[in-house]
Formats: sequence, C-alpha cells, structure tokens
Amino acid sequence: QSVLTQPPSVSAAPGQKVTISCSGSNSNIGNNYVSWYQQLPGTAPKLLIYENNKRPSGIPDRFSGSKSGTSGTLAITGLQTGDEADYYCGTWESSLSAGVFGTGTKVTVL
Amino acid sequence: EVQLVQSGAEVKNPGQSLKISCKCSGHSFTTYWIGWMRQMPGKGLEWMGIIYPADSDTKYSPSFQGQVTISADKSISTAYLQWSSLKASDTAMYYCAVISSGYFYDAYDMWGQGTMVTVSS
Repeated sequence: QSVLTQPPSVSAAPGQKVTISCSGSNSNIGNNYVSWYQQLPGTAPKLLIYENNKRPSGIPDRFSGSKSGTSGTLAITGLQTGDEADYYCGTWESSLSAGVFGTGTKVTVL
Repeated sequence: EVQLVQSGAEVKNPGQSLKISCKCSGHSFTTYWIGWMRQMPGKGLEWMGIIYPADSDTKYSPSFQGQVTISADKSISTAYLQWSSLKASDTAMYYCAVISSGYFYDAYDMWGQGTMVTVSS
C-alpha cells in the first residue's frame, strides 16, 4: 500500500487541461522533491518532471509540476490522444529511508 | 546518453533462484545511483531498492528487505537483482533506472526496458 495517494483516473477532451494530485505527508513530499513519470501502455516509465517543477530536455512545456506542503500536482495542458497513459508521482520517504511511488492515475482523452 | 539494457524474460518454477541484470552504457557507472522497481500485472510501480556502484552502498524498501539482493559489478557496468527462492507472487515486470544527479532521493532519469519474470509450476 503506497504512502502517496493519487486519483485513480482523470479525463478530459482533446485540447483541455487535466491535473493530477499526489498527496503525502511531512516525512515524504513535505521534505523531499517530487518527480512525475509517464507510462504509456506496454512501455517503461519515462521521467516527466523532477525536483518538483523541472522538465528534462525534450519534455514539452504542456507538462508542468508544482508542490505545496505535503502535496504535489502534475498539470497537462493542450491534452492530446498521445497523452493517454498512467502517471505516477515519486519521492523519498525519510522515515523508511526508501523511495516511494504514488498509486498511479490513468489519463483518458475523451 | 545513458542507456540501460536489461536481461531477457525469465520463466521459473517456485523455489528456484534467479539473477537478472541491467547493463549501463553512456555514462560513468560508478557516479550514478541505480534503482530497481517492481510492477505486478495490472498494478502500479513499487520501489524495491537502490545501489551506488562506487561503494556498493545499498538501501532496501522494508517490503523487499531480505527478499531480494541488489548488487553491482563495476568492471562490466552492470547492476543485478537476485532471488534465492522464487515465489509465484514474484511474478512481475522488473525495471532498473538511474539517478544521474548523484543524490539517492532524486528522480530516475532513464529506465531500462524491463524484465518480465514469471514464476509458475
């Protein structure tokens, strides 16, 4: 059972915006960076956001991240059919000295 | 650019041992942390553990401590995940991934393609 909670699914029409929340606690998100990963069907995860709000080279600025207190948020604007995937947040759990991932969110483009 | 190539799919019987690999190229193997993640069929990602090949410093999730062993061979830039006695519940896709920042708490920049392990009698 993950210590980071995400909504199971979110959906929107093409061109619209979706946001995915990642809720944790002081021992994880509250004192550590949040990262976000995209997993397209049948493929390995791919890094979208690191250190709360930074994008790796090649990631479009339609993807953005933020953190407030013990929660992180991933926003996807200008939604495209190619964005249909599972999205996971990740961080460090200081109380366990271990990494943790969120429960995952499936994004559907209507 | 960092590339991670994992060993191929495995089918094993319960009780057998197994060691899967993750070969790294395109970067200085000993300066990055390498993590292992499990994804059971139809389920989410689970963090298993991480190793720093330069000194073999290893950290395990409490859920996997004692169940698996993570190791690395600097001479061939390869990390390993091994089991001494597999169970049916070990059936899953296993991914390796690297943290290029050098900080174990940071994000995983690059992922391997995954190794599917099936344990069935």
